[in-house]
Amino acid sequence: DADVTQTPRNRITKTGKRIMLECSQTKGHDRMYWYRQDPGLGLRLIYYSFDVKDINKGEISDGYSVSRQAQAKFSLSLESAIPNQTALYFCATSDPTDVPKETQYFGPGTRLLVL
Amino acid sequence: SQKIEQNSEALNIQEGKTATLTCNYTNYSPAYLQWYRQDPGRGPVFLLLIRENEKEKRKERLKVTFDTTLKQSLFHITASQPADSATYLCALYNAGNMLTFGGGTRLMVKP
Repeated sequence: DADVTQTPRNRITKTGKRIMLECSQTKGHDRMYWYRQDPGLGLRLIYYSFDVKDINKGEISDGYSVSRQAQAKFSLSLESAIPNQTALYFCATSDPTDVPKETQYFGPGTRLLVL
Repeated sequence: SQKIEQNSEALNIQEGKTATLTCNYTNYSPAYLQWYRQDPGRGPVFLLLIRENEKEKRKERLKVTFDTTLKQSLFHITASQPADSATYLCALYNAGNMLTFGGGTRLMVKP
């Protein structure tokens, strides 16, 4: 079984709808991240969490919110989806004691289309 | 402003040749740099890490160099194979900050 899973894998929604993307991990890592990927722009950090009680904004947090329900679960919400949030979304985990340091382990991604 | 640049144009090479990908950065003092591989429809997968005090790191057919004076890392794949075709991302970690990714370069190895 995959260590980092994301649901759904694909989602089509309409402008203004609220949607939630979910991430679960079995790696036992405290640190979890949400990124979005757009063609040519690489991965941009939306939010990150270093433990269950810790939530931090990343580079592009506007329009998004997150919830860390447990060590293993980190959800990303789009409160009111807009077309420019159409992108590929990745969840990742890391362990600061890992060798090599701060290696990130990514889920398979969620492809989101906002009409 | 901080910037990480990778060639956005695809690199096409013949099987058996050495592929060389470039990662340039500005306004960073990275503690270390990582390279990831990403296949279509999948998440990135970690390949190699090189620290600021290391000049070169090797793993099987992969070699990474890191020149903090030039602010550049080179990623080499020797004896390339069609299975090496993918997008390769560099990522910089600046102590106290987060891992920041470049836009990636797509490599196509033709038989």
